[in-house]
Amino acid sequence: DAEITQSPRHKITETGRQVTLACHQTWNHNNMFWYRQDLGHGLRLIHYSYGVHDTNKGEVSDGYSVSRSNTEDLPLTLESAASSQTSVYFCASSRDRANTQYFGPGTRLTVL
Amino acid sequence: QKEVEQNSGPLSVPEGAIASLNCTYSDRGSQSFFWYRQYSGKSPELIMFIYSNGDKEDGRFTAQLNKASQYVSLLIRDSQPSDSATYLCAVIKDTGRRALTFGSGTRLQVQP
Repeated sequence: DAEITQSPRHKITETGRQVTLACHQTWNHNNMFWYRQDLGHGLRLIHYSYGVHDTNKGEVSDGYSVSRSNTEDLPLTLESAASSQTSVYFCASSRDRANTQYFGPGTRLTVL
Repeated sequence: QKEVEQNSGPLSVPEGAIASLNCTYSDRGSQSFFWYRQYSGKSPELIMFIYSNGDKEDGRFTAQLNKASQYVSLLIRDSQPSDSATYLCAVIKDTGRRALTFGSGTRLQVQP
């Protein structure tokens, strides 16, 4: 079955380190998204991509970057992790303008 | 003013009752509206989407959209304890961007 996966599921890192969270989908969806979820804020958009080599900033993109070299993957990189980036990160994908998004299982990141 | 607003709850209803969850949005040009359910520690899962004014029914769930008043609601009939979760309202604004803007969610508790 087609699916969307994230790895690692849990990560503890130290302030200042570079961290990359992986997102892989096998639906061949063009659109991919990264959100973070924090208590009191709901889900907030970090970055998104409409296709290979396309990336766009969301509302909370500072300190994060993405690259899209193929259809299946959209890795999220924290260039220099900060304690404020402790959160649960969700990747999502959608096929087309129908815009129904399907979410991965999430990555819980702790920055000490 | 938040772009998508929901009462955080908890909304407590007895088993078998109708649960009514409400959401208002600020961008009058919003075109697509989604309800996601999220169990604690899990990722959001799509319940329903609605694009047109009126009601849309799917099993025990009914989504209602009123664009003039800028609100969307979700009714859950014959509520079950397994419906206890956080319900997230999300919209796609009319900006050409296909990313979701989420409310903070309403926690529903169905009492046996």
